[in-house]
Amino acid sequence: EIVLTQSPDFQSVTPKEKVTITCRASQSIGSSLHWYQQKPDQSPKLLIKYASQSISGVPSRFSGSGSGTDFTLTINSLEAEDAATYYCHQSSSLPGTFGQGTKLEIK
Amino acid sequence: QITLKESGPTLVKPTQTLTLTCTFSGFSLSTSGMGVGWIRQPPGKALEWLALIYWNDDKRYSPSLKSRLTITKDTSKNQVVLTMTNMDPVDTATYYCAHLRYTYADYWGQGTLVTVSS
Repeated sequence: EIVLTQSPDFQSVTPKEKVTITCRASQSIGSSLHWYQQKPDQSPKLLIKYASQSISGVPSRFSGSGSGTDFTLTINSLEAEDAATYYCHQSSSLPGTFGQGTKLEIK
Repeated sequence: QITLKESGPTLVKPTQTLTLTCTFSGFSLSTSGMGVGWIRQPPGKALEWLALIYWNDDKRYSPSLKSRLTITKDTSKNQVVLTMTNMDPVDTATYYCAHLRYTYADYWGQGTLVTVSS
């Protein structure tokens, strides 16, 4: 099973700050990596597909990069509404696995 | 507009079998590239993939839960059913179904909380 390790587990940030969340896979997964945002008591929402492809309706401050084993989700100019837990998901080996999540707190 | 909704019992006893139904609209599971997956999330914990099924009846299961899971589809009813045998209190979680476009989940149901307790 492919293990995804996210860092950090928790981050407290101020509005307008730039945030970087990393996701490392235990083996190469090409670009089969997707990012989701989950706010409290809500279902996850797809932010980025295939490592760097944008999703219609998702603010442009969210971007993704990486391939192979190392991936990054970047949030430029953080807004208060971005307080949430972020998960990476690999689909190279189905049904897939998720990272443990990164919780963002807005100061 | 794609929507999905999970249904099933909210409380099951240990050793019982859980049956969850995902009823969806806005797409057909006979269309190439479409799939439905099941994901769960214990209270306060991370997401966990359970199983998925594609338009061509390709099925994949979590290796650690494979012996307990069965996923089926009824294309005419727009439903996907997940059964999980031998339920245990550690299986207490919110269970989500999601629409798969090839391999990523772009639409999710609201989730249903299943508690395992005697």
